[in-house]
Amino acid sequence: GAVVSQHPSWVICKSGTSVKIECRSLDFQATTMFWYRQFPKQSLMLMATSNEGSKATYEQGVEKDKFLINHASLTLSTLTVTSAHPEDSSFYICSATLGGYPDTQYFGPGTRLTVL
Amino acid sequence: AQTVTQSQPEMSVQEAETVTLSCTYDTSENNYYLFWYKQPPSRQMILVIRQEAYKQQNATENRFSVNFQKAAKSFSLKISDSQLGDTAMYFCAFMKHGATDSWGKLQFGAGTQVVVTP
Repeated sequence: GAVVSQHPSWVICKSGTSVKIECRSLDFQATTMFWYRQFPKQSLMLMATSNEGSKATYEQGVEKDKFLINHASLTLSTLTVTSAHPEDSSFYICSATLGGYPDTQYFGPGTRLTVL
Repeated sequence: AQTVTQSQPEMSVQEAETVTLSCTYDTSENNYYLFWYKQPPSRQMILVIRQEAYKQQNATENRFSVNFQKAAKSFSLKISDSQLGDTAMYFCAFMKHGATDSWGKLQFGAGTQVVVTP
C-alpha cells in the first residue's frame, strides 16, 4: 500500500524558535495533503489543506502566519511552526491523497512537538 | 456544518468476544462517505472500514462490519472475535462527497478507546 512518512517523528524546541515538519508520499504522487493536530486523548482536528503548487487553505481559527504550509512538489508538504510557544506542543499528523480519490487517504505516522 | 458524535469514551471487551461502537452524525448532505479509523498506541492512523452513503449494503472487512442506517444517521462498528491487537482508539469520520470546498476533508468524532482483555 501507499506509504506516507513524516520527519522528524519527535522534536523538542525552545519557545520562540521555528520548527519544520516534513510530510512525504514515498511511492505515489499526492496532489493534496492535509495537516491535522491532535492533543492528548483527543481527536484529530484538521488544520489546513495543502495543494501542490498553490497556497494552502486553512481551517477557521488556524493562524496562517504561525503555521506555514508549503507543498512544493507532488511528494512533499512541509508545516513550519513559527515562533513556537508551549501551547503549540501537540501531535501533528499529515495525510496524503491521490487526485480524484479523496476518500482514500494515507496517513503519516505523526510528529510529536514539544515546545519548552 | 457536519458533526460526528461518539458517545462511548471507552469500551472493554474480552478476547474472542464482540463489541459494537456507536457513531451518529448530523448532515444535510445526501452523498457522503463514512469511515472508521483505528489509532493504536503507535498513533498511526489505520483505515478500518469505509462506507459510501449511496450504497445500502453494509460494508464488511473480515472481522469488522458496520451497521449503516442512513435515515437515522447512524454508523456503528462491530468488531467480532476481538483480538488483543484490536486495542486502540477508534474514530468515526465523515467526508462530503464531491464538494469542492470540502474536498477530502475528514470530520472526526471524539473517539472510543477499545481495550481488549485476555
